Amino acid sequence: EIVMTQSPATLSVSPGERVSLSCRASQSVSSDLAWYQQKPGQAPRLLIYGASTRATGLPARFSGSGSGTGFTLTISSLQSEDFAVYYCQQYNNWPYTFGQGTKLEIK
Amino acid sequence: GQLVESGGGVVQPGGSLRLSCAASGFTFRYYGMDWVRQAPGKGLEWVAFIHSDGQNQVYVDSVKGRFSISRDNSKDTLYLEMNSLRVEDTAVYYCAKEVSGDFAFDLWGHGTMVTVSS
Repeated sequence: EIVMTQSPATLSVSPGERVSLSCRASQSVSSDLAWYQQKPGQAPRLLIYGASTRATGLPARFSGSGSGTGFTLTISSLQSEDFAVYYCQQYNNWPYTFGQGTKLEIK
Repeated sequence: GQLVESGGGVVQPGGSLRLSCAASGFTFRYYGMDWVRQAPGKGLEWVAFIHSDGQNQVYVDSVKGRFSISRDNSKDTLYLEMNSLRVEDTAVYYCAKEVSGDFAFDLWGHGTMVTVSS
């Protein structure tokens, strides 16, 4: 099983700041990596797939990068609606696995 | 598109439940589908996958032999048959649609809660 590790677990940031979230895989997943956003009481929402392809309708302030074992989700200027939990997921090998999540909270 | 789950509830350990996921607004039979669960206060765990034609299913080890994923493309509906339920199966269960040409999940249902408790 591929283990996905996200860091940090919690990030306190101010609106307008630029933030980068990290995700590491225990072995190469090529570019088979997705990022999801989840707000309390809601289902996850796809942000990025193929490591760097934005989902339909996603604002351009979100971007993804990386391949192999190291990936980054960057939000260029945080908006109030961006405070949520973010998960990475690999779908290169079954079982598909998620990271434990990074919580973005308001500083 | 939209996905709407149903069938969750409270069940005793060792019991069974059948979850359904009704799809609309897209051509269901074209897409691979998955179930993902989330225990209370915890992260996301992928549970099972089924190919668009229903011919291939894959499961996480913890549910193999107990859960069965299936679909009825004539009814645009996905199912998860859950048997021999354990306390650790308690979670919100989401159905999810895969991206065309990829395997990420671009459409999720609202989830249905399954509680396994005596």
